[in-house]
Amino acid sequence: EAQVTQNPRYLITVTGKKLTVTCSQNMNHEYMSWYRQDPGLGLRQIYYSMNVEVTDKGDVPEGYKVSRKEKRNFPLILESPSPNQTSLYFCASSFLGQGTEAFFGQGTRLTVV
Amino acid sequence: QQPVQSPQAVILREGEDAVINCSSSKALYSVHWYRQKHGEAPVFLMILLKGGEQKGHEKISASFNEKKQQSSLYLTASQLSYSGTYFCGTVGNQFYFGTGTSLTVIP
Repeated sequence: EAQVTQNPRYLITVTGKKLTVTCSQNMNHEYMSWYRQDPGLGLRQIYYSMNVEVTDKGDVPEGYKVSRKEKRNFPLILESPSPNQTSLYFCASSFLGQGTEAFFGQGTRLTVV
Repeated sequence: QQPVQSPQAVILREGEDAVINCSSSKALYSVHWYRQKHGEAPVFLMILLKGGEQKGHEKISASFNEKKQQSSLYLTASQLSYSGTYFCGTVGNQFYFGTGTSLTVIP
């Protein structure tokens, strides 16, 4: 089954404790991206990647890191989480090109206390 | 850079129609539309490409005005299952999602 898998689904952590949210897709998509969703602000892009070893900042990259060592995986790293990073996070993937739909992971609800 | 959607929220009775608008300040090559149920991931509805081609698989229609950098989603004879938040996604040099429109259909 074609899917994007995110883990964990829910996470509560303390300020400053490094964490990684994993994202994996099985559709051989070149494009992968991370979004955060906050009430009233829609989906804002954090980072995106157009292929292996190619990553770039989205609109809200501060406090986040990513890596793309393999085509299928695109982990999101929070080196020192802060309470303002409490949010709902989505990973998405698609083929490159204008006419291709994005597939989303199930989301990770992160709470930083 | 984030596309602006209007209205922000709308409440409909079953069978009524709705239009959701998406406006971008950047040149667009295509527009995507997604629907998100509460607590779930966004799900693809359709893509509109420059030149008029439309790709989708639901009984929902949309338009794309390339010159005005706008798109509209038309939901006719709404059903309870149409409830959710609708996002447009615009593709220029980068992919951006709109601010979202919450649509609630009541019996």
